[in-house]
Amino acid sequence: DAGITQSPRYKITETGRQVTLMCHQTWSHSYMFWYRQDLGHGLRLIYYSAAADITDKGEVPDGYVVSRSKTENFPLTLESATRSQTSVYFCASRDGQGSYEQYFGPGTRLTVT
Amino acid sequence: LAKTTQPISMDSYEGQEVNITCSHNNIATNDYITWYQQFPSQGPRFIIQGYKTKVTNEVASLFIPADRKSSTLSLPRVSLSDTAVYYCLGAQGEIKAAGNKLTFGGGTRVLVKP
Repeated sequence: DAGITQSPRYKITETGRQVTLMCHQTWSHSYMFWYRQDLGHGLRLIYYSAAADITDKGEVPDGYVVSRSKTENFPLTLESATRSQTSVYFCASRDGQGSYEQYFGPGTRLTVT
Repeated sequence: LAKTTQPISMDSYEGQEVNITCSHNNIATNDYITWYQQFPSQGPRFIIQGYKTKVTNEVASLFIPADRKSSTLSLPRVSLSDTAVYYCLGAQGEIKAAGNKLTFGGGTRVLVKP
């Protein structure tokens, strides 16, 4: 499928478990981003990547790990999930050329019990 | 990045024009203003971006005065499907710059009534 996809769409996990959220885009965009959105709030940037093997921290990186071995994939790992990481996670990408437009995925709703 | 302030919510009626004003008093010389729309249970969707004066596309218009301390998103003739949260954001620096980041605030919740 063309575009940007996230998996799983819904996930329930227990405190202390490791969980990985997947993000895949088919446009070969250079930049990719992970955001979290908590109920009633705007989005906060967790990590971003300017290219394969180049990643950097955003506003709220603690407790998260990212990697980008291929341009099209940008997985987000919660090393030891906590209840405060219950949120909706959005992945986004942009090509970095003509505009600031970011293309967002459908989101993953994560619940940590 | 420019800190933005916008109304928490607005109500409108079908067929009316909706204008959402965003304040960004500390906008930097090289900051652009972008607007995104978000429907429930979906990711945000880019609407428009601008630097100064007026920008128009098939969805909306963006007005930025000369001092650039505010901007107004104009949605012409809204319909029920325009009910969403609208975010005003500052986008820093050159478009091609690495790590260009968007800072989302609380957004404006627009409710379009029949």
